[in-house]
Amino acid sequence: GDSVTQMEGPVTLSEEAFLTINCTYTATGYPSLFWYVQYPGEGLQLLLKATKADDKGSNKGFEATYRKETTSFHLEKGSVQVSDSAVYFCALSDKATGFQKLVFGTGTRLLVSP
Amino acid sequence: SQTIHQWPATLVQPVGSPLSLECTVEGTSNPNLYWYRQAAGRGLQLLFYSVGIGQISSEVPQNLSASRPQDRQFILSSKKLLLSDSGFYLCAWTLGGSGSKYFGPGTRLTVL
Repeated sequence: GDSVTQMEGPVTLSEEAFLTINCTYTATGYPSLFWYVQYPGEGLQLLLKATKADDKGSNKGFEATYRKETTSFHLEKGSVQVSDSAVYFCALSDKATGFQKLVFGTGTRLLVSP
Repeated sequence: SQTIHQWPATLVQPVGSPLSLECTVEGTSNPNLYWYRQAAGRGLQLLFYSVGIGQISSEVPQNLSASRPQDRQFILSSKKLLLSDSGFYLCAWTLGGSGSKYFGPGTRLTVL
């Protein structure tokens, strides 16, 4: 079945450092890919998405490119801020399931210090 | 604009007690609705989804149930809670097969 694998955290960075959170996926069809962010004590917010190969999703300085050849959707940001501290979830939904099911990775906690 | 509400925000319940969590969506019609659970140290697990009133699909067999009595209302219930039901319960909605889901603020349930 479909699955998402994320790098284990926590990822600890200093402010203004470069961020990469790795995400790879396994899917039988052609999935849409997502990054969600969860700030402490809150629900999930959609951060960005990409629906086909080579698409780049971007939002709030974060970017991720849908790489079909490597089945990856790594999240990057050039300069992190303390306010970016949160848990980041990579997810996919597959046309085979009518996009009904979001399959999530286990999440990666990011801690940014001043 | 669309908004999604969940209540209560936090809940502490004894083992064996009943449960009712409510989720409502405003600003849209005929949304697809979802219940997810996030257990401590684990990812998110899809519990139920609904594509219309009275239509419920269960993803994980357990002592929880879901109902959709109105178009924009989704309820998660249990007759008798277990310790393992503790977690963070998130309601989400989407329109059709767009794939992008929008989550509510969540309910943190602790079963003692």
